[in-house]
Amino acid sequence: SQQGEEDPQALSIQEGENATMNCSYKTSINNLQWYRQNSGRGLVHLILIRSNEREKHSGRLRVTLDTSKKSSSLLITASRAADTASYFCATAPLSSPVYPGNQFYFGTGTSLTVIP
Amino acid sequence: NAGVTQTPKFQVLKTGQSMTLQCAQDMNHNSMYWYRQDPGMGLRLIYYSASEGTTDKGEVPNGYNVSRLNKREFSLRLESAAPSQTSVYFCASTDLSPHEQYFGPGTRLTVT
Repeated sequence: SQQGEEDPQALSIQEGENATMNCSYKTSINNLQWYRQNSGRGLVHLILIRSNEREKHSGRLRVTLDTSKKSSSLLITASRAADTASYFCATAPLSSPVYPGNQFYFGTGTSLTVIP
Repeated sequence: NAGVTQTPKFQVLKTGQSMTLQCAQDMNHNSMYWYRQDPGMGLRLIYYSASEGTTDKGEVPNGYNVSRLNKREFSLRLESAAPSQTSVYFCASTDLSPHEQYFGPGTRLTVT
């Protein structure tokens, strides 16, 4: 399977603290994306980082990518109770067509709980 | 602009029954996908349609069929449901840029 894995599986922090979650994957990629899933809902795209990028920011989110280690991290700064959700990384393998038909492989997710 | 819609939201089937899950998107996207989500397994790709008129297998296609009815609609059919197909099913769509996927709200299916 080309599926990635997130680490840790579950994370509980106090509001205002930073949350870091990691993703490891198996094959070379075109890009890596992070998604959020609130309980009982569909996934929502957060940020995309391309294979030639090392770091990207979006608001309180910071994503890094290390293609030599086949890993990525997502940092959420100054967390809020509303950040409570599951977070998934998704990779677009190099072997997959870029368009159309680009395929994505999702990790197993990190469940984040932010305590008010 | 509704994005990606899925019907039904919930369904209970008996083993051996058949059903079709419906998905539609109003964003004029070319590519559409069906995933299943099981606890501890993340999302796994069942089938996808790169563009209207084409469909391809993903990681876990056994027991499923799909139809890309037109550019908007992509349906998933279970011909003979099995308990192992108890899961939450998500439909998604995407276009060339920026490659992000847009997801529907999901269908929670239980097969008894």
